[in-house]
Amino acid sequence: EAQVTQNPRYLITVTGKKLTVTCSQNMNHEYMSWYRQDPGLGLRQIYYSMNVEVTDKGDVPEGYKVSRKEKRNFPLILESPSPNQTSLYFCASSRFLASNYEQYFGPGTRLTVT
Amino acid sequence: AQSVTQLDSQVPVFEEAPVELRCNYSSSVSVYLFWYVQYPNQGLQLLLKYLSGSTLVESINGFEAEFNKSQTSFHLRKPSVHISDTAEYFCAARYNQGGKLIFGQGTELSVKP
Repeated sequence: EAQVTQNPRYLITVTGKKLTVTCSQNMNHEYMSWYRQDPGLGLRQIYYSMNVEVTDKGDVPEGYKVSRKEKRNFPLILESPSPNQTSLYFCASSRFLASNYEQYFGPGTRLTVT
Repeated sequence: AQSVTQLDSQVPVFEEAPVELRCNYSSSVSVYLFWYVQYPNQGLQLLLKYLSGSTLVESINGFEAEFNKSQTSFHLRKPSVHISDTAEYFCAARYNQGGKLIFGQGTELSVKP
């Protein structure tokens, strides 16, 4: 089954404790992206990757890091989480960056930073 | 800067009534438009998309949206809603230069019996 998986689905952590949210897709997609969803703000892009070893900042990259060492995986790293990073996070992937290619979304990771 | 605006944050409606969820996008020579649906505790799923051609696009579960270039709108409609349509709906646009999806703020559709 074609899918995007994220782990963990739920995470409660404390300020400053490094964490990683994993994202994996099995569709051989080149393009992958991380979003955060906050009430009233919709989804905002954090980082994206056009292909292996190619990543770039989205609209809200501060406090986040990513890496793309393999095509299927695109982990999101929070080196020193803060309460304002409490949010619902989605990973997405698609073929290329062409406008007519649908983005497939993971189930989401709900992060709480206390 | 490109933007997408969903005019209603919440839309309560009774079952079997018609509904319209409004979406406006910032004008551009070339734009591709999408509606995504997010059911409770799930990720986003593509509902329908406008890429080119016919301005009226339909989904398999009875929703439709019309691309209106003069009004820069892409409103989502359904003539008769079901309880199972209760979800959050996101309008999104992709412009030529970057390809990233720009999302609206989301509209919570609540269908009551």
